[in-house]
Amino acid sequence: AQSVTQPDIHITVSEGASLELRCNYSYGATPYLFWYVQSPGQGLQLLLKYFSGDTLVQGIKGFEAEFKRSQSSFNLRKPSVHWSDAAEYFCAVGFNTNAGKSTFGDGTTLTVKP
Amino acid sequence: DSGVTQTPKHLITATGQRVTLRCSPRSGDLSVYWYQQSLDQGLQFLIQYYNGEERAKGNILERFSAQQFPDLHSELNLSSLELGDSALYFCASSVGGTQETQYFGPGTRLLVL
Repeated sequence: AQSVTQPDIHITVSEGASLELRCNYSYGATPYLFWYVQSPGQGLQLLLKYFSGDTLVQGIKGFEAEFKRSQSSFNLRKPSVHWSDAAEYFCAVGFNTNAGKSTFGDGTTLTVKP
Repeated sequence: DSGVTQTPKHLITATGQRVTLRCSPRSGDLSVYWYQQSLDQGLQFLIQYYNGEERAKGNILERFSAQQFPDLHSELNLSSLELGDSALYFCASSVGGTQETQYFGPGTRLLVL
């Protein structure tokens, strides 16, 4: 069965430092991969997605992610974190079907220290 | 603002009751998705409708049902409510029915007492 693992429940970084959030997936075929951000009391917002092609994907708010098939990973990165990036981040995997069903990881909460 | 609206924002009810959550997708979007977010289960996909038809089903309980109306708004009906149904229920929409960008609404927070 397909699954998504976000190994880090909580990460704290200093403002201006770099960030990497980990995501590993288990899926038999080429997945559709997504990163979402959820601010407190808000819905989810798509940061970026990977369907095919270039394995380094650029998203909004200065985020990028790299798909590594050999490691079944899709880690999210940002070179310099801002205090407004404090939120919960979800990795999700979609299926190569005619439906939009996705499986989400448990999320990683990011705290940014001043 | 994603363009997806959900009502009500908050709902408090008692065990055994039935509630209806409503979602209006972004203008032009044909697909509506329902998700449940709780502390112990995380974010779980419940069901997807595309242009009025059920397209995909996830971990949706038999006590829960949904539909999408001709004007493309959707309703999620939760019946025989239990304490464990307390959660944040999100609706999302997308243009088509496959793996596309989903735009999430602000959610309905349900508390079952």
